[in-house]
Amino acid sequence: DVKVTQSSRYLVKRTGEKVFLECVQDMDHENMFWYRQDPGLGLRLIYFSYDVKMKEKGDIPEGYSVSREKKERFSLILESASTNQTSMYLCASSYGFSYEQYFGPGTRLTVT
Amino acid sequence: AQKVTQAQTEISVVEKEDVTLDCVYETRDTTYYLFWYKQPPSGELVFLIRRNSFDEQNEISGRYSWNFQKSTSSFNFTITASQVVDSAVYFCALSEGPDSGYSTLTFGKGTMLLVSP
Repeated sequence: DVKVTQSSRYLVKRTGEKVFLECVQDMDHENMFWYRQDPGLGLRLIYFSYDVKMKEKGDIPEGYSVSREKKERFSLILESASTNQTSMYLCASSYGFSYEQYFGPGTRLTVT
Repeated sequence: AQKVTQAQTEISVVEKEDVTLDCVYETRDTTYYLFWYKQPPSGELVFLIRRNSFDEQNEISGRYSWNFQKSTSSFNFTITASQVVDSAVYFCALSEGPDSGYSTLTFGKGTMLLVSP
């Protein structure tokens, strides 16, 4: 079974804090993705990575950065958290771009 | 640009009813892939099916079936004899083919299905 894990299910941070969200997959997938999900807006792609140390911006990269130092791990970084970054964050991985993505359980982040 | 439309925001049915979730897509590519995902209240998106643009055969998996029609750019999902456990948000998604480079998934806004006992 494909397994994608995320470091926290719930996280509460203060405005201005640096926040790290970690994602690990165990299927040797090339691609990894970070999305945020908000009511009425659906899933929006923040960043993705197609190889170690490679990254591409998605639809809403502003305020975020990412890191992929190892194939199995993809981190999302909020350099200075703001209240408008309160959201559900979902990580996913896939074998290739035309293949299905497998999702982690999500991290519900609240920034106060 | 690719686009996925799920016009039904929310559907409510009573257990054992059949229900169809609509998905209409737009793409200029001839090679593309369509997906359905289920998101139960727990929040994790669960992959249900992947279909490529060259395979228009309908697919059935237990109570689930999918109808792919290129002529109408639709990829509809039917649940037969719905059950309370089918209550979830269902997402349709589209990915363009390898000629499009880094083709990521474009998701519809989702349809919330509520199945009551």
